[in-house]
Amino acid sequence: DAGVIQSPRHEVTEMGQEVTLRCKPISGHNSLFWYRQTMMRGLELLIYFNNNVPIDDSGMPEDRFSAKMPNASFSTLKIQPSEPRDSAVYFCASSLDLGDRVAEAFFGQGTRLTVV
Amino acid sequence: DAKTTQPNSMESNEEEPVHLPCNHSTISGTDYIHWYRQLPSQGPEYVIHGLTSNVNNRMASLAIAEDRKSSTLILHRATLRDAAVYYCIPNTGNQFYFGTGTSLTVIP
Repeated sequence: DAGVIQSPRHEVTEMGQEVTLRCKPISGHNSLFWYRQTMMRGLELLIYFNNNVPIDDSGMPEDRFSAKMPNASFSTLKIQPSEPRDSAVYFCASSLDLGDRVAEAFFGQGTRLTVV
Repeated sequence: DAKTTQPNSMESNEEEPVHLPCNHSTISGTDYIHWYRQLPSQGPEYVIHGLTSNVNNRMASLAIAEDRKSSTLILHRATLRDAAVYYCIPNTGNQFYFGTGTSLTVIP
């Protein structure tokens, strides 16, 4: 398997524009996570899906952020409108949750977002 | 989730063992202790996990205190490729909440 695939790897956009980040989890995994990493706040869990259903979105910073998982092989994180403070590296991760609390999470390479 | 305390940074000489400590005094009885690391410009990667007993795998060993309030990740022979930020994450569920971790520098 190619691992978790994120696109684009880099995105530069102007303030106010809509940004969509994409993630393809590892085939067969049933859990998907979106994280954001900045120097100031470290790695933050934004949202967690299980079997394509959002389970915990308490980490989503505000209404400008939304995430969807229309099927088991694709997820998007959308920011509309984007602001300079959204600049960060966004990671997607997936795991196979068998209910035993030890599922290993596999992370993608990340999308570096710069909002100018 | 349990609060963790890790040193901000540590140094090791190449090919020497490294012991990375983590305090998690508020850990619950059902929390597993997971360790992940993040190499420069990469996403985090799994290292090891355990519940009560010490654990070994090809990457590292995990020593868990008898009271489970602390643990130590052991890299038996540090290489330059082990330079990374190491995160200790006690968790009960499937989600991982990362703290600030320990930045390990390996000196040639």
